[in-house]
Amino acid sequence: LAKTTQPISMDSYEGQEVNITCSHNNIATNDYITWYQQFPSQGPRFIIQGYKTKVTNEVASLFIPADRKSSTLSLPRVSLSDTAVYYCLVGAFNTGTASKLTFGTGTRLQVTL
Amino acid sequence: KAGVTQTPRYLIKTRGQQVTLSCSPISGHRSVSWYQQTPGQGLQFLFEYFSETQRNKGNFPGRFSGRQFSNSRSEMNVSTLELGDSALYLCASSFGLAEASDTQYFGPGTRLTVL
Repeated sequence: LAKTTQPISMDSYEGQEVNITCSHNNIATNDYITWYQQFPSQGPRFIIQGYKTKVTNEVASLFIPADRKSSTLSLPRVSLSDTAVYYCLVGAFNTGTASKLTFGTGTRLQVTL
Repeated sequence: KAGVTQTPRYLIKTRGQQVTLSCSPISGHRSVSWYQQTPGQGLQFLFEYFSETQRNKGNFPGRFSGRQFSNSRSEMNVSTLELGDSALYLCASSFGLAEASDTQYFGPGTRLTVL
């Protein structure tokens, strides 16, 4: 069962790049790393997913080193609307396996002017 | 394409009662998972259903149960409610592919308060 650790909170100014790191020392071979964003009273929203190296989409980048024991979510040029809680999720749904999904404790990002 | 919907959005019950929550997945998704979110424990996986069968299960007592219908809609039931069951219950759906990269999409949640 992969245990994940994230910083509890981070502060940033609007326009800056924000990097949030998640540690997952005992990640399993089949596990993927997925990041979600959550606003108050809403369900988590998918941001990005990766297995190794680097993944980039229109909103974020995900960096995963070769040993996969950590991952870093990078948000370029954050705005006030990026103020939210960010979760990393480690695990996999494979048919027939009982792999358990483990959410990180969440990082509360506060963006100010 | 419509997202994951959950009903009701808010619910107030008293200790000892039971409750049923409903989740309608994104069209085409066959996997539905349930999570409990509390300030103290964070997001915890309850169980996953795929093709009307429970495929994965978290570490929750038997008071928490679920089922899935042939149209992939799912219900979660909690019996003999306890104060500690007060939480945001989230449903997530995915294609349920036999691939580890299958992505889950979450609904808005049902806020359950137990008095």
